[in-house]
Amino acid sequence: DAGITQSPRHKVTETGTPVTLRCHQTENHRYMYWYRQDPGHGLRLIHYSYGVKDTDKGEVSDGYSVSRSKTEDFLLTLESATSSQTSVYFCAISLRAGHGYGYTFGSGTRLTVV
Amino acid sequence: AQTVTQSQPEMSVQEAETVTLSCTYDTSESDYYLFWYKQPPSRQMILVIRQEAYKQQNATENRFSVNFQKAAKSFSLKISDSQLGDAAMYFCAYRSAGLNYGGSQGNLIFGKGTKLSVKP
Repeated sequence: DAGITQSPRHKVTETGTPVTLRCHQTENHRYMYWYRQDPGHGLRLIHYSYGVKDTDKGEVSDGYSVSRSKTEDFLLTLESATSSQTSVYFCAISLRAGHGYGYTFGSGTRLTVV
Repeated sequence: AQTVTQSQPEMSVQEAETVTLSCTYDTSESDYYLFWYKQPPSRQMILVIRQEAYKQQNATENRFSVNFQKAAKSFSLKISDSQLGDAAMYFCAYRSAGLNYGGSQGNLIFGKGTKLSVKP
């Protein structure tokens, strides 16, 4: 399997607390992505990165920030978690933009905000 | 902006039968890729099949095949001889073949998914 891991796999947190999800890859892929998956909405892009310290917003970026200080790590932070951020979060990697083989996904993190 | 539409939120098929999942997309580009991903209850996203827009021949992977109609912007997935293990969410996705560094072009765009049930 491709070397991409997400941590934690599950997390329950309280409203108003900061939360950081981690994505780690060993494939040396340039592109990394964070998606959230919600029933009836499919997968929606939160943020993506096209290199170290190079990130950009996706369609649902409000309330989220990201950082990429090393090629292998892409962090997603919820500055102050809200119940609307209860979701399953997926990290994905891609060798390059427009690559014909799509993404490789992590196993997802189920986040519950209570 | 490109969009992907899966009009069937849920589908059901009898084991050993054939089922077709629909997907349409909207784009003004001529060079792109299309994908079907499977998500079983384990949550893992698994690439089922991919299609290159410049290829007229429909892609096939064992029991999975697609009907790619470029002019109609349609990309349906056919599952033959359905098995219990095929029960999952299926997502159709589009990706531009553009290579601009740093832009959003080239990101995967997903449909909302179709939940497939397989009856024994």
